[in-house]
Formats: sequence, C-alpha cells, structure tokens
Amino acid sequence: QQPVQSPQAVILREGEDAVINCSSSKALYSVHWYRQKHGEAPVFLMILLKGGEQKGHEKISASFNEKKQQSSLYLTASQLSYSGTYFCGTPERGNKLVFGAGTILRVKS
Amino acid sequence: DSGVTQTPKHLITATGQRVTLRCSPRSEDLSVYWYQQSLDQGLQFLIHYYNGEERAKGNILERFSAQQFPDLHSELNLSSLELGDSALYFCASSVQDGETQYFGPGTRLLVL
Repeated sequence: QQPVQSPQAVILREGEDAVINCSSSKALYSVHWYRQKHGEAPVFLMILLKGGEQKGHEKISASFNEKKQQSSLYLTASQLSYSGTYFCGTPERGNKLVFGAGTILRVKS
Repeated sequence: DSGVTQTPKHLITATGQRVTLRCSPRSEDLSVYWYQQSLDQGLQFLIHYYNGEERAKGNILERFSAQQFPDLHSELNLSSLELGDSALYFCASSVQDGETQYFGPGTRLLVL
C-alpha cells in the first residue's frame, strides 16, 4: 500500500525551512527518501532504519518514528538546488519499494 | 552519475509495436528493479530481479515482461504498445534486497 505524503507541494523562498511528511498504514521497519529533479532520475538521499533514528544529508535531515509509522524530512535554510520532487519509499514483501505520490518543492530566490 | 546505465535514452514508436529497454546495474549490484513513471505521476514499481531470479512483481501488465541475464544486465520488453504506455521507465539496482536503490537515467518512451 502506497505511503501518504504531505503536503503535495510547497513553495519556499531561499533560506526558509520546510517539512515533508510520509506516513503508512502498515508497520514500517525502514523508510527511504529520494529527490527527483524534473526529467532526471531519482537520487537517493537517505535511509532510516530504526525507530526514532535521525539522519542528515547537508542541511536535509529526517526522522523516523516506527511506532507512529511515519517519517519526516526536514529541509533547513533551503537553497535553490533543493527544488524537485521528494519521494519516500517503504519496503514491502519481496523488498520492493513502494513510493509515495511525491511532494513537489520549489525554492524561489 | 549513479553507475547504472540504461539504453536507449529516448524511444519513439507506434501503437502495436514491441520495444526492449536495457539496463546495466552497478558492478557490485545483484538486484535490479524496474519502475514506470507516467507524466506527473509517481514511481510505479513493475518488477524486481535478484541474481537472475524474479523476486517480486508489481502492477506489471501481461504485455510487459522482463528478465535478468547471467551478466546481471536486465531487459524490459513491452509489447502491443498503447498510447498509455508512454512514460519514463527507470531501472534501479542495489547490492542486496532492501538496500539503497541507485537509479539509472531512464528511458523516455513515446508511443504515437
């Protein structure tokens, strides 16, 4: 079952912060985050494996609450290069990744 | 550059035709995954192979088939193409199941 991402889209000015949420109705043991720029391949950002774990990639960090079956991606002091569509993916039977519908992030100068 | 290669980059064909998309995973990766991304749509999982064996199937149409060869490259065959099959097709690879997936640049298929 597809994880639910929110918001669907967000527009920021450079330097502003944003939070993207990903939740699942199923038990999660890991969450994968990817960013895709228009017309390009998705690029891996990070994977969270444990409940409550936080990770960071530059000024992008994420948390994973296993009990609440949700993960959040935090983008601080956003830069123009952060623009793109962010996908969370959750593993299912056979270790396939099921991706959320994506959150479009646009950073304006 | 993820190290995953896909050919061709672009493909334009007519309805009813058959095409083959090719994917070469990173040298250390045994798993290959195929995804379809239609215009403004998310990533839809199609099929997963591990070391030559099919591991999982998603919403893959019967007109589509795939295989992974002994050298670990994979091919996705699309037949009796319809207009709605126009999409970006990505393959991704990983060392083991469930680990980070590295995506290739995609093949953009246009069915006219």
